[in-house]
Amino acid sequence: GAVVSQHPSWVICKSGTSVKIECRSLDFQATTMFWYRQFPKQSLMLMATSNEGSKATYEQGVEKDKFLINHASLTLSTLTVTSAHPEDSSFYICSARVGSHGYTFGSGTRLTVV
Amino acid sequence: EDKVVQSPLSLVVHEGDTVTLNCSYEVTNFRSLLWYKQEKKAPTFLFMLTSSGIEKKSGRLSSILDKKELSSILNITATQTGDSAIYLCAVGQETSGSRLTFGEGTQLTVNP
Repeated sequence: GAVVSQHPSWVICKSGTSVKIECRSLDFQATTMFWYRQFPKQSLMLMATSNEGSKATYEQGVEKDKFLINHASLTLSTLTVTSAHPEDSSFYICSARVGSHGYTFGSGTRLTVV
Repeated sequence: EDKVVQSPLSLVVHEGDTVTLNCSYEVTNFRSLLWYKQEKKAPTFLFMLTSSGIEKKSGRLSSILDKKELSSILNITATQTGDSAIYLCAVGQETSGSRLTFGEGTQLTVNP
């Protein structure tokens, strides 16, 4: 089946540094990738939708300069958290459309900013 | 504003009990409703319901979509401790990119 590989699975970084999270579609082409953030005991909140070869669409309240999304190819989308702060600590998950109705998720990245 | 609401937010039961989780939605251009189970990492897919498939069953789990009431239920019979998880309801839309809007989730705890 369609698989999205997400790396790293967890990362600890210092305040002020940047962290890049990668999502690769292994056996299919992902024209669109969705990026979600999940705080403890809360649901998945859509941050942005990335489309291959064009600018990402950000949800209201999400800073595009802080959460840089790049979707340079049909198999790779990246999310870079720039100048990370402790409040950015969260679980980040990517997801891609598969077929006419399905969605497949990456395994998620647990980011801790200290 | 698109909205997906789940209830209850948390539920504690004993093994063997039957549970019903609820999901209601108000979204534009409804396409599909999906149920996921989330334990420690990313959500795992359970069911997808559409206009052409409003009832699904897999083992002890079953789900029904009521398009008139804009809602869905997820039933789990003869619950086991391994069913303990967050159950997420999400609605897919016919908009560009077909985004998913998630509900808050139901935290299910099954005690032995």
